[in-house]
Amino acid sequence: DTEVTQTPKHLVMGMTNKKSLKCEQHMGHRAMYWYKQKAKKPPELMFVYSYEKLSINESVPSRFSPECPNSSLLNLHLHALQPEDSALYLCASSQDFWVFQQSNGYTFGSGTRLTVV
Amino acid sequence: GQQVMQIPQYQHVQEGEDFTTYCNSSTTLSNIQWYKQRPGGHPVFLIQLVKSGEVKKQKRLTFQFGEAKKNSSLHITATQTTDVGTYFCETGGGNKLTFGTGTQLKVEL
Repeated sequence: DTEVTQTPKHLVMGMTNKKSLKCEQHMGHRAMYWYKQKAKKPPELMFVYSYEKLSINESVPSRFSPECPNSSLLNLHLHALQPEDSALYLCASSQDFWVFQQSNGYTFGSGTRLTVV
Repeated sequence: GQQVMQIPQYQHVQEGEDFTTYCNSSTTLSNIQWYKQRPGGHPVFLIQLVKSGEVKKQKRLTFQFGEAKKNSSLHITATQTTDVGTYFCETGGGNKLTFGTGTQLKVEL
C-alpha cells in the first residue's frame, strides 16, 4: 500500500463549527506532515510529526490543532476558522523526517478542499 | 529565511517543444526535490538531487543540481500534453522545508 488517504475530500464549514480532517498511511513512514495550499501557490508547511511527536509548528494559529494518535494516523482539528483559511489541506508522509535520507520524497494525499463560510 | 525562486512562473509551449524550469536559492542547499502537480491534483514526487553537479534522467525529463548547490533545473524534451501541470522544487534542511514558487506548464496541440 503506497497511498496516503485523506478524508473528507471536500468540506464546507461555518466559522463557529468544529470539524476534523483525517489522514492515514500504511507505508510504515515515521514522519507525517500537514500542508496548506492556496490556489496557484506552493504548499505551505504547517506541522511536522516525527515518530508521533510534534517536531515543527510553523507558527500556525491555535484554531488549527494537530493530533497524531498513532504512527499511521494524523488529524487536524479545526475550530473557529476564518474565510481566509479556505484552501486545499494536504497531508504527506515520508520514511523519516530528516530530508537528506528521503530518496523517495514525500507521498501526498489527494487533499481536503476546505471552504469556510 | 530560506527563499527558493522558480522561473518562469508560467510557460506555454507547443507539443513537441522543449521546456525548462529553474530553481534558484540565495543559500547553499543540502538537497533538492522536484514535484509535479496536475491541475486539481496533489504534488507527486519526481526525483531527489543531493550531490553537487548531479544530473539524473527519467525518460524525457533531465534534472540538474548546480555545482554550487544553489540552483537546479528540470528540462523536459519534446513535451506532451501529459506534461501539463505545475512543477515545484522543494528543499529541506535544518528543520526548514521550503517549496519553490512553482512553474505552471501548459502544452498546446
